[in-house]
Amino acid sequence: EVQLVESGGGLVQPGGSLRLSCAASGFTFDNLGMTWVRQAPGKGLEWVSFISGSGESKNYADSVKGRFTISRDNSRNTVYLQMNSLRAEDTAIYYCARGLKWFDHWGQGALVTVSS
Amino acid sequence: QSALTQPPSASGSPGQSVTISCTGTSSDVGAYDYVSWYQQDPGKAPKLVIHEVTKRPSGVPDRFSGSKSGNTASLTVSGLQAEDESDYYCSSYAGNNNLIFGGGTKLTVL
Repeated sequence: EVQLVESGGGLVQPGGSLRLSCAASGFTFDNLGMTWVRQAPGKGLEWVSFISGSGESKNYADSVKGRFTISRDNSRNTVYLQMNSLRAEDTAIYYCARGLKWFDHWGQGALVTVSS
Repeated sequence: QSALTQPPSASGSPGQSVTISCTGTSSDVGAYDYVSWYQQDPGKAPKLVIHEVTKRPSGVPDRFSGSKSGNTASLTVSGLQAEDESDYYCSSYAGNNNLIFGGGTKLTVL
């Protein structure tokens, strides 16, 4: 059974940093790209970042480019999202999802709240 | 890139069919057959119901179908059931490892 479990969410002050993790199981992790998607309270889904199976290819939404960094450790079956210079508008549930062009499995989400 | 355009709401009575549209551009929906649709219940993670415009994952009822014409994709839910009441989001691959979502449609079963 495919499982994706996010962790690392929490309350952080504006300008602060946070690192999210997504632990994967039930499939050959290093064969597949992984994506982070976020959803602000009461709002729609927003694509945030993608990383290829090897980790060599990455991309970011303009709204987070230069502040967020995606990475993965295939030995730990885990993908990360390092979030720096956080802003109030980054407050959202962050989901990790399997794939790039469509997402057949999603984690349960990690809540990130940016507030003073 | 701007979000794909979806109607904020749609509705239908049990047993009826409802179609939700998703309009993009020639750089996303019109350029690639990688349109997907997700169903999201309150407080839950999204669930894939259609990928690659028309394909249904295992376990998704055949009441759900997808199509595309030009820069507009559509999700049709036939034989509406109370359990279909949910938020629906479309997405499209936009090239260069980019993906874009629609703003979402709240489907109400009357």
